[in-house]
Amino acid sequence: DSGVTQTPKHLITATGQRVTLRCSPRSGDLSVYWYQQSLDQGLQFLIQYYNGEERAKGNILERFSAQQFPDLHSELNLSSLELGDSALYFCASSVITTGELFFGEGSRLTVL
Amino acid sequence: DQQVKQNSPSLSVQEGRISILNCDYTNSMFDYFLWYKKYPAEGPTFLISISSIKDKNEDGRFTVFLNKSAKHLSLHIVPSQPGDSAVYFCAASARNYGQNFVFGPGTRLSVLP
Repeated sequence: DSGVTQTPKHLITATGQRVTLRCSPRSGDLSVYWYQQSLDQGLQFLIQYYNGEERAKGNILERFSAQQFPDLHSELNLSSLELGDSALYFCASSVITTGELFFGEGSRLTVL
Repeated sequence: DQQVKQNSPSLSVQEGRISILNCDYTNSMFDYFLWYKKYPAEGPTFLISISSIKDKNEDGRFTVFLNKSAKHLSLHIVPSQPGDSAVYFCAASARNYGQNFVFGPGTRLSVLP
């Protein structure tokens, strides 16, 4: 158990819809990261927050957005969903901005 | 432009033998490297790390070697066990420059009994 909690574990929705994925980092970790893993692909970095502020952006689509709240939990919002958005979305946390990452179990999104 | 490459998508090894997983990187600013293991339906779990000031780091059956001049690192697992069967990701960051980790595409290791 990494201490990072992600909900929901599985989500099935239709094209054009909007979903929100939630992440609670390990206790004490200030940095939260979101990664996307499409079928048999590597981990693609989406976005990082540090103590509530956006720290770095990767290959995140404009239809996606995220935020980190004062209690340090984070949400990833995916809108106008397309079939190609079907993937595993991982949240990770770390103590500092460049420390080791601890991953949650992921949220599997299926867009039909 | 893949900054971190794992050119072998898969590897099969007999139980008890050595598994060697390779990783190459292109960014000379990378100074900190991690290996992660991932089982199906689980998140990646941290395995071992190495800083660029070292060329070797050992933790039990796992050893990571870093060759900075070749921009190459490798993970050795000795002896390999069936429970080691998983996807292994190499990740690199330029910590001194505050850069995030970049992950390779992964290598699927199968340890055959």
